[in-house]
Amino acid sequence: EVQLVESGGGLVQPGGSLRLSCAASGFTFSSYRMNWVRQAPGKGLEWVSYISSGSSTKYYADSVKGRFTISRDNAQNSLYLQMNSLRDEDTAVYYCARDVDGKYSHDYWGPGTLVTVSS
Amino acid sequence: QSALTQPASVSGSPGQSITISCTGTSSDVGGYNYVSWYQQHPGKAPKLMIYDVSNRPSGVSNRFSGSKSGNTASLTISGLQAEDEADYYCSSYTSSGTRVFGGGTKLTVL
Repeated sequence: EVQLVESGGGLVQPGGSLRLSCAASGFTFSSYRMNWVRQAPGKGLEWVSYISSGSSTKYYADSVKGRFTISRDNAQNSLYLQMNSLRDEDTAVYYCARDVDGKYSHDYWGPGTLVTVSS
Repeated sequence: QSALTQPASVSGSPGQSITISCTGTSSDVGGYNYVSWYQQHPGKAPKLMIYDVSNRPSGVSNRFSGSKSGNTASLTISGLQAEDEADYYCSSYTSSGTRVFGGGTKLTVL
């Protein structure tokens, strides 16, 4: 069974940093492209970042470019999101999501982890 | 990276059909056959309903169908059921290699 489980969320002050993790199981993690998607309270989905299976290609939403860094450790079956210079508007539930093999859609999602940026 | 445009809400009675539109540009929806649709119930993670404009993942009811014309994609749900009440989001691949979501549509089953 495919499982994705995020962790690392919490309360952080504006300007602070946080590192999210996503533990993957039930599939060959190293073969799949991965993403981070977030959802502010009561708002819609916002795509955040993408990483290719071998980490050679990474993309970011304009809203986080230069502040967030996506990475992965295929040996540990884990996906990461390093978030720096956090702002109030970064408050959201952060989901890790797997791409359908060879496609541009997310077929499996984790339950999400809540990040709250507030003083 | 402007969000795709969806109606804020749609509604229908059980057994009826509804259609949700998703409008983008030639740099996203209109330029690629990589439109997806997601269903999200309150407090839950999104669920993939349609990928590549009109393909259903295994296990998704054939009451859900997708299409595209120009810069606008559409999700149609036929034979509306109470369990279909949820938020629906479209998403597209973009010319920058990124992805973009629509603002979401709240479906109410009357």
